[in-house]
Amino acid sequence: GENVEQHPSTLSVQEGDSAVIKCTYSDSASNYFPWYKQELGKGPQLIIDIRSNVGEKKDQRIAVTLNKTAKHFSLHITETQPEDSAVYFCAASITGGGADGLTFGKGTHLIIQP
Amino acid sequence: GAGVSQSPSNKVTEKGKDVELRCDPISGHTALYWYRQSLGQGLEFLIYFQGNSAPDKSGLPSDRFSAERTGGSVSTLTIQRTQQEDSAVYLCASSLVRGFGNQPQHFGDGTRLSIL
Repeated sequence: GENVEQHPSTLSVQEGDSAVIKCTYSDSASNYFPWYKQELGKGPQLIIDIRSNVGEKKDQRIAVTLNKTAKHFSLHITETQPEDSAVYFCAASITGGGADGLTFGKGTHLIIQP
Repeated sequence: GAGVSQSPSNKVTEKGKDVELRCDPISGHTALYWYRQSLGQGLEFLIYFQGNSAPDKSGLPSDRFSAERTGGSVSTLTIQRTQQEDSAVYLCASSLVRGFGNQPQHFGDGTRLSIL
């Protein structure tokens, strides 16, 4: 089955700096890659997603890039703010959440230092 | 509008007891998913429903776990004869289903299950 590796496990950046989280996947058939933000005691919240026919997608301070050849994708957060502090998960799916569901990375704890 | 609703939010029970977890998806979402999140771990996919049907139950951790969905809406996840290793947060998600591409999954806040 699919395997998703996520790095780093913890990332500390100064407020206003950029943060980058990287993920790799194993199954070249995967075609959908969402990113989720999870705050303490809450469920994961979708922040951005990308499909395999697109190389990059932006939404304000958040961007995701996808390299299908290398089988890796990254989350970029610019001008970080204290409210960006949370655990971020990447995921991959072949059928888009059909019978296989989403395969998640282990998560990155992002800490924004004031 | 209302998001995915899960109940109870917390459940503490003794080893060996049965528990039932409930998920109420976003209105109009025909696809429903259950995941398990153990302490310090990522999210583990358990089962998927399209309407009332679950095409693949192999993701359920053991035969003590079962899930059903009736009326194409509310789903219940039942764990029989609970064990301490069942302690985790159980998350439910729902999504639309279209004829093309993948649709985003929206999660509830989960049920935190603690087995004493």
